[in-house]
Amino acid sequence: GQNIDQPTEMTATEGAIVQINCTYQTSGFNGLFWYQQHAGEAPTFLSYNVLDGLEEKGRFSSFLSRSKGYSYLLLKELQMKDSASYLCAVRVKDQAGTALIFGKGTTLSVSS
Amino acid sequence: NAGVMQNPRHLVRRRGQEARLRCSPMKGHSHVYWYRQLPEEGLKFMVYLQKENIIDESGMPKERFSAEFPKEGPSILRIQQVVRGDSAAYFCASSLPGQGPGANVLTFGAGSRLTVL
Repeated sequence: GQNIDQPTEMTATEGAIVQINCTYQTSGFNGLFWYQQHAGEAPTFLSYNVLDGLEEKGRFSSFLSRSKGYSYLLLKELQMKDSASYLCAVRVKDQAGTALIFGKGTTLSVSS
Repeated sequence: NAGVMQNPRHLVRRRGQEARLRCSPMKGHSHVYWYRQLPEEGLKFMVYLQKENIIDESGMPKERFSAEFPKEGPSILRIQQVVRGDSAAYFCASSLPGQGPGANVLTFGAGSRLTVL
């Protein structure tokens, strides 16, 4: 089966740095995605890793280690608006357009 | 660019009725995906469609659920004889065709929230 694990909840304060971890055991691997979802809204794309290493995009960075089945999302200079659920997802099949398998999400609460 | 459009945003049905959820993909996107999200649960894949074809329906319950993406018009997720357990948020996503990086990214709609009384 497919298994994607991430912590259920995390808390942090404004201005801090937070790291959200994700581990996966899947039958195949063709990319790892992070999405942000505010309550009652659509998930929005944050980052995509297919090779090992760090991808940086403004205040958000994502890291991947394929040998360890591990990724993390790093959020710097936290703002109140970063309070949301962060979803880790893996693209399993090796063909264009195939669906993503999602973890249950990590709910991040940012306080002042 | 209007993004992925879903309607209705909220739908209330009584047990035994039918629910129809519609999704119009982003302009230029020909791949459509339906996901279901229950409270405290992740997004669960249901079905992946291209125009007039169901590519992968491995996540779709075998009974009462069906999906289509006709040549003209939106994709439709249909739930017949709804039960209370069908209450959930149903999200549609779309992506570009092809093999390029853009084809990997799913763009989601705002979801349709079904409540079964």
